[in-house]
Amino acid sequence: GEDVEQSLFLSVREGDSSVINCTYTDSSSTYLYWYKQEPGAGLQLLTYIFSNMDMKQDQRLTVLLNKKDKHLSLRIADTQTGDSAIYFCAEFNNAGNMLTFGGGTRLMVKP
Amino acid sequence: NAGVTQTPKFQVLKTGQSMTLQCAQDMNHNSMYWYRQDPGMGLRLIYYSASEGTTDKGEVPNGYNVSRLNKREFSLRLESAAPSQTSVYFCASSEAVVVVEQFFGPGTRLTVL
Repeated sequence: GEDVEQSLFLSVREGDSSVINCTYTDSSSTYLYWYKQEPGAGLQLLTYIFSNMDMKQDQRLTVLLNKKDKHLSLRIADTQTGDSAIYFCAEFNNAGNMLTFGGGTRLMVKP
Repeated sequence: NAGVTQTPKFQVLKTGQSMTLQCAQDMNHNSMYWYRQDPGMGLRLIYYSASEGTTDKGEVPNGYNVSRLNKREFSLRLESAAPSQTSVYFCASSEAVVVVEQFFGPGTRLTVL
C-alpha cells in the first residue's frame, strides 16, 4: 500500500530556515499536503501542492515537489518560536479516496 | 462557527467496555472522517462518510462502527474496547471527498486499561 515517510525530529534556531522532508511511494497521488499540529490541537492545513507542480510559495512557506524521486519538502523561512509544532506530510489518492499521512516531524525552534 | 467539535475530550475505559465518540460540524460539509493518531505513525483513517447516508471503511476499521446520524453528525463506536485502541481520535470534515482541505476537530484522548 501507500507509504509516507518523514524524519521524526528537527531543531533549528530562531531566524534560521527550516526544511522538513517527506518521501512517498504512490506515484498516482494527485495532491500533496503539509499539515501543522500544535500541542493538544487538531491538524491545520498549512499548504498543498498539485502533483503537476514543482514548486509553490506562500509567504514564508515554500513547497518543493520532485515527482521523479517522490520527494516533497517544506521550507519555512525566518523560523519563529511559534512555528514549533509537529508537521505532517500527506498525500491524496483518487483511487483510494483517502489521505495517507506520514508519521510527523517535530520541529523545535530555539530562541 | 464552531467548526468541528468532538466529545468527550478525554475518556478512560476498562477492557470490554463500550463507548461512543461524538462529532459534529457546522460548515454544511458533505464528507466526514474518523482518524486515530498513534505516536510516530501519523493519522490513520478508520471510517469515512462521503455523504449523508453512506459510510466506508478506511485503513484500520476493525473494532469500530460508525453512524452518520445526519449531515452534521458522525459518531464512532467501540463495542468492546481493547488496550490496542488507546489512542487520540480525530474527527474531520470536508466539502466532499475529493477536495483540498479537511478540517479537524480538537481530538479525543482515549485510554483503555
